[in-house]
Amino acid sequence: DAKTTQPTSMDCAEGRAANLPCNHSTISGNEYVYWYRQIHSQGPQYIIHGLKNNETNEMASLIITEDRKSSTLILPHATLRDTAVYYCIVRVSTQGGSEKLVFGKGTKLTVNP
Amino acid sequence: DAGITQSPRHKVTETGTPVTLRCHQTENHRYMYWYRQDPGHGLRLIHYSYGVKDTDKGEVSDGYSVSRSKTEDFLLTLESATSSQTSVYFCAISDPGTGVYGYTFGSGTRLTVV
Repeated sequence: DAKTTQPTSMDCAEGRAANLPCNHSTISGNEYVYWYRQIHSQGPQYIIHGLKNNETNEMASLIITEDRKSSTLILPHATLRDTAVYYCIVRVSTQGGSEKLVFGKGTKLTVNP
Repeated sequence: DAGITQSPRHKVTETGTPVTLRCHQTENHRYMYWYRQDPGHGLRLIHYSYGVKDTDKGEVSDGYSVSRSKTEDFLLTLESATSSQTSVYFCAISDPGTGVYGYTFGSGTRLTVV
């Protein structure tokens, strides 16, 4: 399975953009990059995903490098409620056509007042 | 989370006893997953299901079995609970064919084996 590497922790000031990097140098051509976050002890929450192109939704933007070996999740205006652990994951196809997500340890983002 | 519930939410059990955790969904999603989460390890996949009666092992399946006799329910069984299985267990559902991206996770079951 393709592995991802993320910094253990990051800090960001409230109202500023939070840029969370992820390396996935062994990613295959048809594998998607997914981002999830987990607040406190809640279940992880889907944020965004992408294959080649940059993506944006109401929560965040995802920038994927041209060689697809790394990506950056951008929270444009971080709030205190964005404090969470953020997981960068490469989706793996399995039998039956399902997607299997293998979670790493993620980045603990702390948004400071 | 809407459409997916886990039961029980909390359970304390004794070593050697069998335990079954239930995941129930109302979304009619094809795929269901069981993860465990422990400090220092993040989320690890135990088992997953890609249809009724179709299941497969994840990365930490030893000591666990699963069953899926109908679309809406995915059961995780610890045949003989051990202290190393003390953890928070999360169920998740997905179905890319519906156009809904990503997994939806349940709220978790906190299991303590004493």
